[in-house]
This record gives sequence, structure tokens and C-alpha cells, in this order.
Amino acid sequence: DVKVTQSSRYLVKRTGEKVFLECVQDMDHENMFWYRQDPGLGLRLIYFSYDVKMKEKGDIPEGYSVSREKKERFSLILESASTNQTSMYLCASSPSGRGAMGYEQYFGPGTRLTVT
Amino acid sequence: GNSVTQMEGPVTLSEEAFLTINCTYTATGYPSLFWYVQYPGEGLQLLLKATKADDKGSNKGFEATYRKETTSFHLEKGSVQVSDSAVYFCALWMDSSYKLIFGSGTRLLVRP
Repeated sequence: DVKVTQSSRYLVKRTGEKVFLECVQDMDHENMFWYRQDPGLGLRLIYFSYDVKMKEKGDIPEGYSVSREKKERFSLILESASTNQTSMYLCASSPSGRGAMGYEQYFGPGTRLTVT
Repeated sequence: GNSVTQMEGPVTLSEEAFLTINCTYTATGYPSLFWYVQYPGEGLQLLLKATKADDKGSNKGFEATYRKETTSFHLEKGSVQVSDSAVYFCALWMDSSYKLIFGSGTRLLVRP
């Protein structure tokens, strides 16, 4: 079974802190994604990566950055956390390469981040 | 642009009732369509998919038919169970794009 794990299920941080959310997948997938999930808005793509050290902005990248130093690991970084970044963050991975982003995405359980 | 619209929830049903969750889409081209399900405390998982018009996706008793003429992909199940309580997301994917586009999700609550 594909497994996508996220470093924390719940996280509470203070405004202005730098926050790291980690995601690891064990199926050698090329593609990895970070979404945020908010009530009534569904899932919105923050960043994705189709290879090690490669990244592209999604729909809402402002206030976030990412890092992919190893194929299995994709980190989301909140440079200076703000209260409007309080949300559920979901990581996903999928097989296949750049030319055909895998649509069958496998999701982690999510990290519920609260910024106070 | 491409988008997905789902019926607002929550949808509350009794066990063994018939379920329909409506989903319509707007797309320039021919998308692939999906239903994902999110059980409480978990991430999303793919429930079913259809990649071209008139295809029917099915899994775990759920079905959805890709209707190009009405740009719809409604989710149905003949007899729901308490264990089907979850949030259901309709999504589309274009070959020319890099991302899934999700609807806002519909929460289903099934009572015994």
C-alpha cells in the first residue's frame, strides 16, 4: 500500500514563527503536492514538485515556500506564520513524470495547524 | 477557467437510503473526472474515476457516469451505510494541466 505520512497531526504556532511541515512517501513517486483545506473552499494547491529540487507554484503560494532535497520528502515552509494560515494542510503524491502528472493522488492524513 | 461545483451539505440520510451527490463541471476541453472520499481524521482517497464521456466509474457500491452533454458527474449509491459517513469531493483533471481541481466537498452523514 502507498503510504504518505505527515510529521504532525496537530500543530499550534505563534504569529511570526517559522513553521516546517514535513511529508514523506514510500512509493518512489515523482510528484508531490501540498494543499490547504478550508471549509467551503475545498482543496487549494499551494505548491507541487515533479522531481527532486524542482518545484512550481500552485494557486495560493503566497506566504509559503517548499523544499524537496530527496525524492521521498517534500517540506512546506511558512516563513512567518500568520493567523490566516490556520488551516488543514494535506500532502499528496502521485506516480509518473512531468509530462503527465498522475491524477491518482495519494494523500497523507493531514496536519491541522493553528496559528495564534 | 476550469471549475467544479458540488451540492452543499451536509446531506443527512438514514441507513439503506438512496444517495445522490450532484457535481457539475466547467472545462475547456475533455477532462477526466473523479470522486475522492475523506473519512473522519484521514486524508483523501480516490473512490472512482471516469476518463471519457459516457464512462461509468464504480467502487464500493458507488457509481458515477460522465455526462458530457450535461457536464455532470453525479455520485450515487443505492443503499448507504453508517460507514459511508464522510466528506466527498468531486474533482477534474486536464491532460494539459498539472493539477486536480476540487469541488468544495459535500459532507454525508448516515444515521442508523
